[in-house]
Order: sequence, then structure tokens, then C-alpha cells
Amino acid sequence: DIQMTQSPSSVSASAGDRVTITCRASQGISSRLAWYQQKPGQAPKLLIYEAFRLHSGVPSRFSGSKSGTDFTLTISSLQPEDSATYYCQQANSLPYTFGQGTKLEIK
Amino acid sequence: QVQLQESGPGLVKPSETLSLRCSVSGDSISNYYWSWIRQPPGKGLEWIGYVYYSGGTTYNPSLRSRVAISVDTSKTEFSMRLRSVTAADTAVYYCARVVSPEGMDVWGQGTPVTVSS
Repeated sequence: DIQMTQSPSSVSASAGDRVTITCRASQGISSRLAWYQQKPGQAPKLLIYEAFRLHSGVPSRFSGSKSGTDFTLTISSLQPEDSATYYCQQANSLPYTFGQGTKLEIK
Repeated sequence: QVQLQESGPGLVKPSETLSLRCSVSGDSISNYYWSWIRQPPGKGLEWIGYVYYSGGTTYNPSLRSRVAISVDTSKTEFSMRLRSVTAADTAVYYCARVVSPEGMDVWGQGTPVTVSS
């Protein structure tokens, strides 16, 4: 299985800040990576697919990038509603695997 | 707008079989993969497997010996059965639509399952 390692496991930032979350794949996955946002008691929501493509309806302050097997989710200007846990997921080979999650707290 | 809704028992006894159903509304079940994912309390997400609308399946090797996913296009629903459950199978179970290359773009609200005697 492909291992997905996310960092940091948690981050605290203020509204208006820029935040970056990283996900590293244990082997090459092309650009087949998605990012999800999960709020407490809710199902995950797709934010980004194919490493950098924004899913329909997702605010443009969310963006994704790739460098080799490292993938980054950036929130350019934090809003209070961005408080959530974020997961990466590789879709390059089965079984699909997720990162362990990054909990984002808004100060 | 497509919506998914899981249903099933909230409590299952150890060694028994967990059966869950996911009802699809607002769109056709055709031409998509349909997936199950679970999340143990306070933990991350684990992909269980998926079924294509025509019936083909792929499972996570960690669960392959115990899980079966099927689809009923006439009822626009798909189902999961997990045999010989233990406390480690306690989790919130989600169903989701898989769209390539987007990923899992629509999710059900999740149904909590506790394995306990």
C-alpha cells in the first residue's frame, strides 16, 4: 500500500493567516491526490483533486500544489469556517489510502 | 443534486455480520464507482472498497476476506456486508461516489456502528 504522511498533525492560526499543510507519498502517485475537509460530526468534503484542481464550489483561497511526491494544501487567508481536519488521499493505486489528518484551529 | 444516505443497525454483536445500505437519490447510479469508507472514533479515514455500477468490485486487502459490496441498480442503492466483526470494526461508516479523476465527490452523512455484546 502507498503510505501518505501528513504534517503537521495540528496547526493553530489566526483569521487572515496563510496556512500550509503537506502530504508526502511513499512512492510516486503522479498527480492523483485529493484533499478533503472534515468538520466535527460531518462527512468529509472534497476540496481539491488531481493535486491542484479546485472542486466545484470550493473557495479560491484553497489551492494545491505538487513537487515530486510532496503535495501541499494552502489556505491563503484563513476564515473562521476553515476550522476543520484536513485529509489527503491518493487515488493513483488501490487500495486508496489517506493521510492521518491535520487538525486546523482558528485562534 | 445527488444525495447519499446510509442505513443500518447502530449496534452489532461480536462475530456477527454488519450489513449497511446506501441509497442514492438525485442522479443515476450508472457509470460511477460507489465506495465505502470508515472512520473509527477519534481516528482517520480507511477506504473499505468500491463497486462499479455493473457489479465489479475492489476491496482493501486488509478487509478483503470479510467484506462484500454489491449494487442494486433497480433500487439505486448499494450495500456492504462485513463478516465476523470485532470491536475494532466500531466506526462511522460512510458511503461515497467515486468520480475519476476527482476522487470521492459526494458523501453520505455517515452511520455510526458499535460492535459490542
